[in-house]
Amino acid sequence: NAGVTQTPKFRVLKTGQSMTLLCAQDMNHEYMYWYRQDPGMGLRLIHYSVGEGTTAKGEVPDGYNVSRLKKQNFLLGLESAAPSQTSVYFCASSWTSDRAGELFFGEGSRLTVL
Amino acid sequence: GQNIDQPTEMTATEGAIVQINCTYQTSGFNGLFWYQQHAGEAPTFLSYNVLDGLEEKGRFSSFLSRSKGYSYLLLKELQMKDSASYLCAAMDSNYQLIWGAGTKLIIKP
Repeated sequence: NAGVTQTPKFRVLKTGQSMTLLCAQDMNHEYMYWYRQDPGMGLRLIHYSVGEGTTAKGEVPDGYNVSRLKKQNFLLGLESAAPSQTSVYFCASSWTSDRAGELFFGEGSRLTVL
Repeated sequence: GQNIDQPTEMTATEGAIVQINCTYQTSGFNGLFWYQQHAGEAPTFLSYNVLDGLEEKGRFSSFLSRSKGYSYLLLKELQMKDSASYLCAAMDSNYQLIWGAGTKLIIKP
């Protein structure tokens, strides 16, 4: 029973490099989210998706892109990494709107940009 | 603007009771959520309140007052494993979660 799986768990990038974080869920959830978590701050929503083929911007979308080609996968891309993107990234999924607040999180991906 | 306030850190003794408060301001309201996050791990869902009153779930209870924009999480019979951060989140009219910065709870023997 995997739940929500994120890869990679750790990554170090140099400024200007690109990378993709992969999130996969096996619960048949409609909604998927990418958050970042920084010390002393609440979780901040980067992008989210309410179904296969759809994406929407969250609170802090600049510098990131996403795709949801399959219902079970949600990819987060950094086109040109910056030190300000050093953070812990969490993917989450949920059922539709009436239960959208009960999120199931992946283990997190710790990204350092030098 | 939308805002969630909760204390940064609290300390309590093993076996005691602790109450973690949360106040919120959101555009519309579709529920108040509490999550637990152990250091280095992902948040996990604890509770959900949408109506005024107390919801009890074992050693944990959560209370909501919509008129006051206020919630608390009550932890009874504290155990060392309860040492964690507790995140308060309110859902706005667009079904988006607004997160507090979390309360780090330290349990002492």
